[in-house]
Amino acid sequence: DAGVIQSPRHEVTEMGQEVTLRCKPISGHNSLFWYRQTMMRGLELLIYFNNNVPIDDSGMPEDRFSAKMPNASFSTLKIQPSEPRDSAVYFCASSAYNEQFFGPGTRLTVL
Amino acid sequence: AQKVTQAQTEISVVEKEDVTLDCVYETRDTTYYLFWYKQPPSGELVFLIRRNSFDEQNEISGRYSWNFQKSTSSFNFTITASQVVDSAVYFCALTTNAGNNRKLIWGLGTSLAVNP
Repeated sequence: DAGVIQSPRHEVTEMGQEVTLRCKPISGHNSLFWYRQTMMRGLELLIYFNNNVPIDDSGMPEDRFSAKMPNASFSTLKIQPSEPRDSAVYFCASSAYNEQFFGPGTRLTVL
Repeated sequence: AQKVTQAQTEISVVEKEDVTLDCVYETRDTTYYLFWYKQPPSGELVFLIRRNSFDEQNEISGRYSWNFQKSTSSFNFTITASQVVDSAVYFCALTTNAGNNRKLIWGLGTSLAVNP
């Protein structure tokens, strides 16, 4: 079975540009999580969905960040406009019960 | 409040040594789940084990073993005869799943370096 799929794997963009990260969870998993990891702040939960509904978005840094899950097999995390401090690795994870399975991450660099 | 503490920030050992990574948790819920994840230098986060609060049996998987002790609120992870490939950051995490909450509370991780 395919694991969690994320795209792109690497993204380099300039400050002010819109960035869209994509995630396909494991089939049959009903929870999806977006995390951000940096050296300074470690692993932070940004938002998570249960059955496509956002449950907790308290970790979303500010209004520049938005996430959607239009169906059970796809989610996006959008940053508009991007800033250099958004540079990080963004992980998507999905779960069916309690353990979360992570995608390979998207390394975002904002110049 | 729920919390996971991994007091060891970095550990360095020589290959073939045994090493234990500590994890102490706090929760008032009686039902909870504990996890260990591995993040090797390549960056992916790999699920290693889940333990629920009603099962205090220790778990062994090859060179890996886990010691869950509710009396001390600890869920420690031991690698026996460590190898260079074990070099990674290891995270301990907790969830109570209360009210269908799937959020994991993460420790800050322990960076393990296994030197040849």
